[in-house]
Amino acid sequence: QQQVKQSPQSLIVQKGGISIINCAYENTAFDYFPWYQQFPGKGPALLIAIRPDVSEKKEGRFTISFNKSAKQFSLHIMDSQPGDSATYFCAASNNNDMRFGAGTRLTVKP
Amino acid sequence: KAGVTQTPRYLIKTRGQQVTLSCSPISGHRSVSWYQQTPGQGLQFLFEYFSETQRNKGNFPGRFSGRQFSNSRSEMNVSTLELGDSALYLCASSSGQYYGYTFGSGTRLTVV
Repeated sequence: QQQVKQSPQSLIVQKGGISIINCAYENTAFDYFPWYQQFPGKGPALLIAIRPDVSEKKEGRFTISFNKSAKQFSLHIMDSQPGDSATYFCAASNNNDMRFGAGTRLTVKP
Repeated sequence: KAGVTQTPRYLIKTRGQQVTLSCSPISGHRSVSWYQQTPGQGLQFLFEYFSETQRNKGNFPGRFSGRQFSNSRSEMNVSTLELGDSALYLCASSSGQYYGYTFGSGTRLTVV
C-alpha cells in the first residue's frame, strides 16, 4: 500500500512562480523526510531533507514545511525556473526503510 | 568521488528467463537499497542491505532476491520473468539513513 501519498500528480507553473507539492504519511515511526529531484534518464537526486523536530527547513529557493500533528509535509520552490522542470518525489523513512511518494511532474513555463 | 554504478544500463529478456543486475555503491557506503520504478507505480521499495545482511524488504514476490558482498557491491536477481517486471531498477547507497541516498542511473529492463 502507498505509505506516502503525494499530490498533485502534475503541476504547471509560470517562470518566477511558486511551486508547491504536498505529501502525507501514515506511519508515525518515520523520522526522516527527504525530497528528491529526477530528470529524464537519471536516477533521483537528493534535494533537501528534514527531521520531525523542526517545522521548516530552507535551502536556497527550496523550502520544506513539516506538520507533525497532521502528518504532512510539503516542498515549496520559490522563483521557479525552467531548469526546475523535473519529477519530484517525497519520501519518508525509518530504520533505513525509505518509502517514496508517487511523484509530481513539474513543468515550469518560460 | 565515483557515484553509484549500475550495470547493465539496458537489458532485454524474454518471459520465463532470469536476470541479474549489479550495483556498485559509493566507496564507504555500506547500505544499498533497490527500487523498482514504473510510470504508474512510482518508486517501489524492493530491499535494503547492510554489511551483507538484508535489513528491510518490500512487498515483492519471492522471484525478486538480492545479496550484498563483503565489498558492499550488491546484486539483485529476478527469476521467471513476467511482462510486468519491465521497469527501471534503481540502486541507491547510503552512509546512514540521515544522510540521504545517492542513486545510480538505473538498469532499464524490458521483458518481451
